[in-house]
Amino acid sequence: QKEVEQNSGPLSVPEGAIASLNCTYSDRGSQSFFWYRQYSGKSPELIMFIYSNGDKEDGRFTAQLNKASQYVSLLIRDSQPSDSATYLCAVNPPVADGLTFGKGTHLIIQP
Amino acid sequence: EPEVTQTPSHQVTQMGQEVILRCVPISNHLYFYWYRQILGQKVEFLVSFYNNEISEKSEIFDDQFSVERPDGSNFTLKIRSTKLEDSAMYFCASKLVGGETEAFFGQGTRLTVV
Repeated sequence: QKEVEQNSGPLSVPEGAIASLNCTYSDRGSQSFFWYRQYSGKSPELIMFIYSNGDKEDGRFTAQLNKASQYVSLLIRDSQPSDSATYLCAVNPPVADGLTFGKGTHLIIQP
Repeated sequence: EPEVTQTPSHQVTQMGQEVILRCVPISNHLYFYWYRQILGQKVEFLVSFYNNEISEKSEIFDDQFSVERPDGSNFTLKIRSTKLEDSAMYFCASKLVGGETEAFFGQGTRLTVV
């Protein structure tokens, strides 16, 4: 059974601070990992993807991948109120085309 | 910026009726998907479609569901006889190539079965 686990939150972070979102996955052979942002009632919007162990930075966002620990994280620096949303971790399992999503972490940036 | 377009944005149907949800993927994309999200729950994969055939489907995608690409632009999801539990947001997504590349989602169709 493919599982992607996230803490549902809410995670409350003051404006300007770093928000840290975590995700674990069960299928050890998974190769690609995605972070989507979803505002209430809207569709998932891709923020970042990562395939290799280590860090990948894009503006205020950094994705971190540790395949040995089956762990993916997303850091958001200089958090803004507009970052308040649900963040979905998604994994592409091996020999599969569809994404397996976690339930998402609800992030609240406090002004 | 190219985007995935879905119609209608909201569909209300009576239990037992057939519904067709429509999607126009990004024009040069080759891989197409349907996902659903029941209110308050996670996004769930339904089916993937490539080269005019289903390439993968989940346990949710039973005989009540079918997909079609009737022309060069549209991609449809049909639910033959809707049940109350089919009420959800349905998202279409597309990818340029298969494998480990990013999928872009449409804005979704909210299906309400009464």
